[in-house]
Parts: sequence; C-alpha cells; structure tokens
Amino acid sequence: GAGVSQTPSNKVTEKGKYVELRCDPISGHTALYWYRQSLGQGPEFLIYFQGTGAADDSGLPNDRFFAVRPEGSVSTLKIQRTERGDSAVYLCASSSSNPGTDTQYFGPGTRLTVL
Amino acid sequence: AQKVTQAQTEISVVEKEDVTLDCVYETRDTTYYLFWYKQPPSGELVFLIRRNSFDEQNEISGRYSWNFQKSTSSFNFTITASQVVDSAVYFCALSEAGSARQLTFGSGTQLTVLP
Repeated sequence: GAGVSQTPSNKVTEKGKYVELRCDPISGHTALYWYRQSLGQGPEFLIYFQGTGAADDSGLPNDRFFAVRPEGSVSTLKIQRTERGDSAVYLCASSSSNPGTDTQYFGPGTRLTVL
Repeated sequence: AQKVTQAQTEISVVEKEDVTLDCVYETRDTTYYLFWYKQPPSGELVFLIRRNSFDEQNEISGRYSWNFQKSTSSFNFTITASQVVDSAVYFCALSEAGSARQLTFGSGTQLTVLP
C-alpha cells in the first residue's frame, strides 16, 4: 500500500514569509508525528496527533510553529515569520495506535530553505 | 529524560567486512521500545527493527543482527558481509511507553561501504 507522502519535497522561501508543509499518512493510521532534522543530526520531535487533536506539542520550538489535522488524516505544519534557523528537513511519520504495532513509518520529508 | 547516544559518527569498511554500529540509551521507564532506522542518500527513513524492553532475545534478519543488553543499556546493530548498498546513515531511537511514543533519536552513524 501507499506510504506516508509529504508535499512539497522542497520549499525555498524568504525570511519572514509564511509556509505550509503537508503530510498524508498511511491510510488507517490514527497517530501522526512531525519531526525536524537538521544537517548531521537525528530527527527531533515536534508534535504528535492522535486523531484530530494534538496530544503532545511539547517539541514545537516557539509559537511561530503550528500544526493541524482537522479530519484526522492529512496534517499541515504551518510556520509563520520564517527565520533562517528554521531551515531543515521536516519529516512526518504515522503509526497505528495499537501498542505493540505502533511503529512509526516516515515520509520522504520536506526540505525547507529559508533565505 | 530519555537519551540515545551513537558514539560512532562515521565508519568506513570494505565490502564483505562485518561492521557493528553501537547504540547506548538512557531511560527511567521500565517499559520502552528501541528501534533502528536506515537513512540512505535519498533521505527517507526506513524502519529496520523494533524491540521492547521485555524481550532481550537477539534477532537476526538475513545479514542484519541486533544485540540487546539491558545490563549495559545497549542495542547494537551488526551487518555481516557488508555491501555497497548498505551505505547510509543509521539511527538508533527510543520511545517510552508512558509518553506519546515520540521517538528520541541518536545523532546517527554514517556507514560507508567501499567496493
């Protein structure tokens, strides 16, 4: 079946602009995660959705970052007033919610470059 | 707080050599999960294995094997008879049962297999 998809694959924007990154999870997966990966580092957790609600947003770096998942499927990560330090690869992962089978499967990521 | 350490930043081997990637973790939970992911040059994180804290059996899958030792908080990964296609960044990750199951990643080990 289809895996996690993310669009766009690359996004170049200017400092101060607003961007939206989209994630389409594996069909039937109720859990959805966003991570951010800087060059040479492992991914870092941003936010976790269970269904439509953000169950844990403790990883969001500041209030410029926001994410939604209005229908419990597709999620959008929104970044306001982008800064050069926001440049990174943004990864989305989804999983089932059943303990023991809730392995996270990742999408290809969106590479964000803020000029 | 949970932490994963991958002390080997880069490893280079010649094809057909065996190689072991080290992973040491820290957690206060008694129930937790350990993972290995592969990130080839294409960038997508590929799931390799999941172990839970109650199952210390070592696992073998083809040329891959994993050694989980709770006594030393280690979850090491060995590739036998390495191949050029094994070249990638490998990440070890941990999630705690009581959390939102977000993954805490190590900083990764860049493995280069030379022909």
